[in-house]
Amino acid sequence: EAGVTQFPSHSVIEKGQTVTLRCDPISGHDNLYWYRRVMGKEIKFLLHFVKESKQDESGMPNNRFLAERTGGTYSTLKVQPAELEDSGVYFCASSPNLGDTQYFGPGTRLTVL
Amino acid sequence: AQSVAQPEDQVNVAEGNPLTVKCTYSVSGNPYLFWYVQYPNRGLQFLLKYITGDNLVKGSYGFEAEFNKSQTSFHLKKPSALVSDSALYFCAVRDSWGKLQFGAGTQVVVTP
Repeated sequence: EAGVTQFPSHSVIEKGQTVTLRCDPISGHDNLYWYRRVMGKEIKFLLHFVKESKQDESGMPNNRFLAERTGGTYSTLKVQPAELEDSGVYFCASSPNLGDTQYFGPGTRLTVL
Repeated sequence: AQSVAQPEDQVNVAEGNPLTVKCTYSVSGNPYLFWYVQYPNRGLQFLLKYITGDNLVKGSYGFEAEFNKSQTSFHLKKPSALVSDSALYFCAVRDSWGKLQFGAGTQVVVTP
């Protein structure tokens, strides 16, 4: 069974540019989560999808971040425009049902110059 | 609000010696506790979890964790550390909606 995949693995962009991160969860997993670890600090929750619906987006830092999960399969996280403080590692995780163990992808390392 | 704390930024241990990584938690209600590990240039890997039941939980790669309600702790342990156990370890607590709240992480360094 394929695990959670994320693309790209690394992205280096300049301040003000736009970046879109993609997450493909494990097939059949209705729950999809985004987290990020900024500057070696704690891993912080961003948002949670149940199928295509946003269940909880309380962790989204501001309106420069937009997450979608059209069709309830893969998800994208767009940052527009990117700022220096957005640099970090963005993780995606999925689980079959609410409360099940979350399985993480390898992460996307975003560097904003 | 719930939280976890990992009091040690780094733990150094010699190969073959016991390894302990500390975690304490603060929750209202029943805790749902997890340990994840991040190897260099890899994603987070699930090690083990405590939901209910036995206080000693066994997980992957020979790791186990002991849930202690009176001390609000969930320390990760391995009887005999390997060099390959060198990694970043995260303790986490889950809320009723599935959201994980992580500790700051503990870097484990196992020397030959």
